[in-house]
Amino acid sequence: QQQVKQSPQSLIVQKGGISIINCAYENTAFDYFPWYQQFPGKGPALLIAIRPDVSEKKEGRFTISFNKSAKQFSLHIMDSQPGDSATYFCAASRDSSASKIIFGSGTRLSIRP
Amino acid sequence: GAVVSQHPSRVICKSGTSVKIECRSLDFQATTMFWYRQFPKKSLMLMATSNEGSKATYEQGVEKDKFLINHASLTLSTLTVTSAHPEDSSFYICSARDGLSPRSYNEQFFGPGTRLTVL
Repeated sequence: QQQVKQSPQSLIVQKGGISIINCAYENTAFDYFPWYQQFPGKGPALLIAIRPDVSEKKEGRFTISFNKSAKQFSLHIMDSQPGDSATYFCAASRDSSASKIIFGSGTRLSIRP
Repeated sequence: GAVVSQHPSRVICKSGTSVKIECRSLDFQATTMFWYRQFPKKSLMLMATSNEGSKATYEQGVEKDKFLINHASLTLSTLTVTSAHPEDSSFYICSARDGLSPRSYNEQFFGPGTRLTVL
């Protein structure tokens, strides 16, 4: 019940296209859903996050879509650029300062020029 | 704001030696810090959670006598890998939570990671 399932494992998208990464969770107590971007040899950085009181959040080219009833959420990267090539992790946690973040398995995104 | 640093960025040591990794929150008070381990092409694996001034809480399967964690101040936590062996070689990442900020109280800010290689 603590798992966050992420797909696909890897993704290749043409420059300018839309990259879509999907995640699903089981624990209905989760109410904070961040996405992290990680470049090789670096620590992950928070990209965008959503709480379940909204179904969508957009920041620039990055959008999170959230479906509470299906317990699924996804990251959409519009107009994908080569600089977006990185590993993306979805995650979930409970709304508490003491709670730990549960990470998905990661998606390696490659944007072809 | 919300910058977390780690030192060293990479370390190579001989088998049997101990290695200390520092994690610092530079512009906020980190009431809680987390230590993760990441193998190549894998996700982050939480090792332990530490709160300032108290003992760390280790995840199942993580040897607390091998991975010593100290969180002596609101800006510094250390991870010491004792008697390191080649299988301890990995990428170690810390994160910190600003528990005093009501806006981001469950957001974690990650350090740049430390690459440990044990020969």
